[in-house]
Amino acid sequence: ILNVEQSPQSLHVQEGDSTNFTCSFPSSNFYALHWYRWETAKSPEALFVMTLNGDEKKKGRISATLNTKEGYSYLYIKGSQPEDSATYLCALQADRGSTLGRLYFGRGTQLTVWP
Amino acid sequence: GAVVSQHPSRVICKSGTSVKIECRSLDFQATTMFWYRQFPKQSLMLMATSNEGSKATYEQGVEKDKFLINHASLTLSTLTVTSAHPEDSSFYICSAADIGRGIGYEQYFGPGTRLTVT
Repeated sequence: ILNVEQSPQSLHVQEGDSTNFTCSFPSSNFYALHWYRWETAKSPEALFVMTLNGDEKKKGRISATLNTKEGYSYLYIKGSQPEDSATYLCALQADRGSTLGRLYFGRGTQLTVWP
Repeated sequence: GAVVSQHPSRVICKSGTSVKIECRSLDFQATTMFWYRQFPKQSLMLMATSNEGSKATYEQGVEKDKFLINHASLTLSTLTVTSAHPEDSSFYICSAADIGRGIGYEQYFGPGTRLTVT
């Protein structure tokens, strides 16, 4: 089992604040890194899939960076809005092995944005 | 993005009974479906991987005779919890992927099923 750590566990910010959280993973097993946003009672929504060291991806006010050599990824939200409130999950897709596509999830960062 | 449905969203059953959970990819063909389980304050943990038309691959520690998985078509996979016990109470969620996409393909998740065994 590969250990994927996310921090902080939870975060409360005011509307308009920018925020970021971290996902760390064992770099030796890296294949791809996935970020999901998971709102209560809904399906986790894929945000980014990142594969290359130094990758930076952006979707609206949300962006992510990847460092595969040191084993971490950052997710940034610029100008947080109440609708950004959700749990953000990262998942490591490890080397191709017996279970292609297997994801190892962190516990998530629960973000609450207050109006 | 692709849509995956999961039914039921919530089920309560008595100890010793069996429960079937369905996972459907609505607008794409899923060569592979994954079943995860999440206990309170824990991460999503993979239980098994199923490829259409073949037997599921179970993760270490997951009893294949207790958690029966069938992936009979490219749009439907089912998880049956047989002879459920209170310790099987958990949140079960499926995802679907088209493995043929290659590196970095996305998995699309259903909304999950909350199982409570009394």
